[in-house]
Amino acid sequence: KAGVTQTPRYLIKTRGQQVTLSCSPISGHRSVSWYQQTPGQGLQFLFEYFSETQRNKGNFPGRFSGRQFSNSRSEMNVSTLELGDSALYLCASSLGIAKNIQYFGAGTRLSVL
Amino acid sequence: DAKTTQPPSMDCAEGRAANLPCNHSTISGNEYVYWYRQIHSQGPQYIIHGLKNNETNEMASLIITEDRKSSTLILPHATLRDTAVYYCIVRVAETSYDKVIFGPGTSLSVIP
Repeated sequence: KAGVTQTPRYLIKTRGQQVTLSCSPISGHRSVSWYQQTPGQGLQFLFEYFSETQRNKGNFPGRFSGRQFSNSRSEMNVSTLELGDSALYLCASSLGIAKNIQYFGAGTRLSVL
Repeated sequence: DAKTTQPPSMDCAEGRAANLPCNHSTISGNEYVYWYRQIHSQGPQYIIHGLKNNETNEMASLIITEDRKSSTLILPHATLRDTAVYYCIVRVAETSYDKVIFGPGTSLSVIP
């Protein structure tokens, strides 16, 4: 069974631009969660989607948004990029119900110049 | 804030058991303890989870105290490939709707 796939793996953007990251979950998983990881703040929860609905949201500004499609694939968008948005963005999928174990992708490394 | 506290770093000799402690003194009755690890520059990897009974799988053992206020992850025969950051988290239930909060974790170094 294929794992969680995140694209692209690396991305370089400039301040003020916007970016869209993609996550394909494990087949059969209906929940997708997004995390931001930086050396200073560690792993921080962004939001979680289940069956196309956002179930939970972390403490991030409105510039960070996401969505989930009917096939459970998810995208997250960051608008008006800031230097501090440089981070590893991780996606995790799970069944979203019993045995809610999260399986993580390799992440997208975003650099904002 | 994270619901768990862990030592920031630990060393373990290769081939010996690595015992990683986690304190979760405010854990609720329906919260599970989950362990993940993250090898440098990779996504976190699930290891094991439990509610109140000790658990074992092919990767590790999880020992939860009777009062459930702390737990220990045991890697029985540590190898160099076990060098990673280990995260202990608690979640409301297996069908959790809550936010997953990772603390800074324990950086385990396995020494030859």
